[in-house]
This record gives sequence, structure tokens and C-alpha cells, in this order.
Amino acid sequence: EAGVAQSPRYKIIEKRQSVAFWCNPISGHATLYWYQQILGQGPKLLIQFQNNGVVDDSQLPKDRFSAERLKGVDSTLKIQPAKLEDSAVYLCASSSPGTGDQETQYFGPGTRLLVL
Amino acid sequence: AQSVTQLDSQVPVFEEAPVELRCNYSSSVSVYLFWYVQYPNQGLQLLLKYLSGSTLVESINGFEAEFNKSQTSFHLRKPSVHISDTAEYFCAVSDSPGGKGANSKLTFGKGITLSVRP
Repeated sequence: EAGVAQSPRYKIIEKRQSVAFWCNPISGHATLYWYQQILGQGPKLLIQFQNNGVVDDSQLPKDRFSAERLKGVDSTLKIQPAKLEDSAVYLCASSSPGTGDQETQYFGPGTRLLVL
Repeated sequence: AQSVTQLDSQVPVFEEAPVELRCNYSSSVSVYLFWYVQYPNQGLQLLLKYLSGSTLVESINGFEAEFNKSQTSFHLRKPSVHISDTAEYFCAVSDSPGGKGANSKLTFGKGITLSVRP
């Protein structure tokens, strides 16, 4: 079974530029999560999708961050404009409600963003 | 609201020594507890989890954790560590109430860097 795929793996941009990250969850997983992991901290949930609907985006800085999952499969997270403090690893995870393993989130390798 | 406390940020140990990585949580509802491991330049991997039943859970590579409700703890232990266990370990809590079709929201601790020396 293929895992969660993310691209790109690394990205360097200057502040005020825009950037987008892509995630393809495990096949059949209805729930998709985006996390931000700042160096030295644990991952922090940014947004959670159930199919193509948003379940929780309470910690998403909506003035600059946006995310979509139009067809309920892959997802894109965008930052526009980027700030220095957005430098972090952005992790995508997926889970499958109603399968008996719905509590377990499976993570992708992450996208490491550096904002200069 | 729920939270996870991992007081130790770094734990250095010698190879073949025992190790305990501490985790305490706070939550007003029933919880599910997880330990994830992150090897250098890799994503998070599930190490083990407590959902219900036996309070002692084990992983395939020799780690174990015990859920202690009275102490609100879920410490991770291994009796003899290897160099390959060097990684960052994250404790996480989910407040998924029934599990049936629910969407688990994970709250992570800050992580513990385990450094195993020869």
C-alpha cells in the first residue's frame, strides 16, 4: 500500500512570495490533515478535511494560508504572502474513519520550507 | 482542551542501556494516546497506541508504553536501546470520543530527542 505522498520535499523562497504544497493521501482515506512543525516543536494542526469538506480550520492563519481538497482526494496548501515565521516543515496526514483504525493518522515525509 | 507535556527535550543514553521517555497529558474526556517516532529527514511514523483494554502496549521493535489514568501518563520504555533508535519521539493525545466515524484530532507534545551513543 502506498503511503502519503507530498511534494516538493524542500522549498526556499523569499518573504512576501507565495508557495504551494501538494499532498496525496493513502488511497481510500477520507480524512486529510495539514500540520505545521516548527523546529523544536511538535506538529500543530492547521486544517482537517473530511472528503472535500473542512472539519476544523481553527488554527489556520486565514489571512495568508489557504487549503483545498476539491475532489476529496489530493490537497493543496498555499501560503501567500509568506513570512519569515512560516519557515517550518509542513506535514500531511490521512486517516480512514469507520474502519476500526480511524484513530491512526499516517504521515507523509513533509515539505521543508525556508523563508528568507 | 487537551495538552501533552514532554518535559525532557533531549535524552542521551548509551547503547544497550534502558530508557524511559516521559509523557503526561491533560484532557477532560476519554483519550486515545500515541507515540510517534521521527527519524532524521523522515516523516512521523506510528510507534504504538493505546485505545482501550490492556494498559500496556508494545511495538514491534521492543518499545512499550503503559497508560496510567490516575497519573495521566503514557511513558515510553525500552529495556535495551540500539544506535538505530536515535530519533525524535512525540507523544500525542486524541479526544476521539466513540471512534465510530469520528475524526481524531491529535495534539502533540514538543518531542524528545533520543540520542544513543556507542
